[in-house]
Amino acid sequence: AQKVTQAQTEISVVEKEDVTLDCVYETRDTTYYLFWYKQPPSGELVFLIRRNSFDEQNEISGRYSWNFQKSTSSFNFTITASQVVDSAVYFCALRGGYDYKLSFGAGTTVTVRA
Amino acid sequence: GAGVSQSPSNKVTEKGKDVELRCDPISGHTALYWYRQSLGQGLEFLIYFQGNSAPDKSGLPSDRFSAERTGGSVSTLTIQRTQQEDSAVYLCASSSPGGVRYEQYFGPGTRLTVT
Repeated sequence: AQKVTQAQTEISVVEKEDVTLDCVYETRDTTYYLFWYKQPPSGELVFLIRRNSFDEQNEISGRYSWNFQKSTSSFNFTITASQVVDSAVYFCALRGGYDYKLSFGAGTTVTVRA
Repeated sequence: GAGVSQSPSNKVTEKGKDVELRCDPISGHTALYWYRQSLGQGLEFLIYFQGNSAPDKSGLPSDRFSAERTGGSVSTLTIQRTQQEDSAVYLCASSSPGGVRYEQYFGPGTRLTVT
């Protein structure tokens, strides 16, 4: 069984602050895939990133960066210099190597105040 | 290109009525998924279709729920004899052909309210 834990329920920051979202996962699969999705107030889940279990290289995309550490089963997400448009619910998800369905964490609501 | 579309965007129904929710996947995507998002349960997998293979219905919460996919494209999720606990946002997703690593792209969802 796959399990994803996002311990932070809500985070509130002032614009331009950095914010880090934690994601811890559990799986028995040796090959698996991790994802982050953003759900803005409009409701649509927007794909942000996929990371394969065999690739621990961190990634940066603009103001977004991801830190994948297999040793601690974590896949954390940092927004640098946050903006009001970053306000959304962010979901971490896991997919097993021979599975297809996503197991989602409970989500973290990020509020960026001007 | 066009993303995943779902209709209706909102549906209010009386307890005991049947409802049908529709999903149009991204053109060329052979895999289609239904998920449900509710306050108490978060995001839950419901059903998965891959091409012409038999669907994986393991996530359907009861036999009142069923889904079909016609012609390998459009899918309909049907809920019979709706109950108040069925109130949720029903999300459809699709992914490109091939292996399990492909990311899923989600539609805007259908918000179902059972009164």
